[in-house]
This record gives sequence, structure tokens and C-alpha cells, in this order.
Amino acid sequence: NAGVTQTPKFQVLKTGQSMTLQCAQDMNHEYMSWYRQDPGMGLRLIHYSVGAGITDQGEVPNGYNVSRSTTEDFPLRLLSAAPSQTSVYFCASSYEGEDTDTQYFGPGTRLTVL
Amino acid sequence: AQKITQTQPGMFVQEKEAVTLDCTYDTSDPSYGLFWYKQPSSGEMIFLIYQGSYDQQNATEGRYSLNFQKARKSANLVISASQLGDSAMYFCAMREMGGSEKLVFGKGTKLTVNP
Repeated sequence: NAGVTQTPKFQVLKTGQSMTLQCAQDMNHEYMSWYRQDPGMGLRLIHYSVGAGITDQGEVPNGYNVSRSTTEDFPLRLLSAAPSQTSVYFCASSYEGEDTDTQYFGPGTRLTVL
Repeated sequence: AQKITQTQPGMFVQEKEAVTLDCTYDTSDPSYGLFWYKQPSSGEMIFLIYQGSYDQQNATEGRYSLNFQKARKSANLVISASQLGDSAMYFCAMREMGGSEKLVFGKGTKLTVNP
């Protein structure tokens, strides 16, 4: 059981470039989400999905797109990177509707936009 | 709207002593869950403890306990017998129950355990 995996671990982009952060889980979790962590800000929800084909916006969705074609994968796309998107990105997953179940986090992707 | 407040940017504790990390929350939902996560310098998020809003007893997990005061809307984390490995960032988070899995995080408290 690999849990939640994220690739890449580190990435440097130039302003205006696009890229996709990959997230996969092998626990058959319905719920998946993306957070960003900035210094002094805690984690903020970008997008989330309650199942394949269903996505919704979180607190800070602007500049990011997501899709959920399978239960296992939930990629995060930056269409045109900006320096304000420099952050650490975490993917998380959990069972849907289990009130006491925690979310399992991936190891994170550290993104720098120059 | 949900809100989590952690008022202690940094805390220091001597090894083997107990420490309390504060967390207050604000929600109009009667059903919610409260979580604490640990983030060591390596960066991963580690789940520590959970408290449901209808739980009658305070949650405990080994050296971690949650001091839940519902009327005050506080959910403080108590770490007993601190160890050097407890040095990390600690985040309090809240989730509405009943199907929504969205977590709202506080800004965190950096705990340093001194030998």
C-alpha cells in the first residue's frame, strides 16, 4: 500500500509556463483534495473531488484546474504559472462520509515560480 | 464560515514536561470534527488525534490528548512527557460532518522541545 503519492517532489517554473502536479492513491478513497501551504498561512483548500467525474472549488481555486477521470488519480493543473503560486502543494484523500476518518496526505510538491 | 484560530506562533517546552497548544474554532454547524496534525521539518502531514462535536469524552491517543471545551469552542492539544522528536509545526483543523470532507486549517504553532 503506497498510500498517497505525489510527483514531482520539487519543480521550478518560469512565469507563464504550465504544468501538472500528479496525485495518486491506492486506498480506493472517494474523496481527494488539493491544498497549498504558504508560510504563516496554514493549509488552504484549492479543489476537491467526491468521486470520479465530480470536482468542486475550494477556498483558493483561481489559476488551477482539476479533473477526476478515475478514483485513483487527481491531477492539479497550473495553466499559466505566476510567482504567487510559489508554494508547497499537498494532495489528500479519505473515505467519503466517514465522520471520524482522517485525510491521508501525500508528501507534498514544492513549487517555485520565477 | 468556518474559522480556526491558533494564537501561539511558537512554543517552547523542556523535554519530559507537558505542553498545551491552543486552538479555538468558530462554526455555526452543530456537527463538526476537530483534528490535530503534526508537520515535522521533513514536511509531511501526520494525523495525531480527532474529536467529534458530539463526543462525550475528550479524545486521547498515547501521549496526545485533546482538551475539548465545546461551550468555549476550544480544542487544545496536550502533549505529555515531551520528547525531542515532538519538535514540529502543529496544525488544528475542522471539518463539517455529514458528508463534507473539507478541512479548514489554522495557521499552526511551532513547538520546540529543549533538552
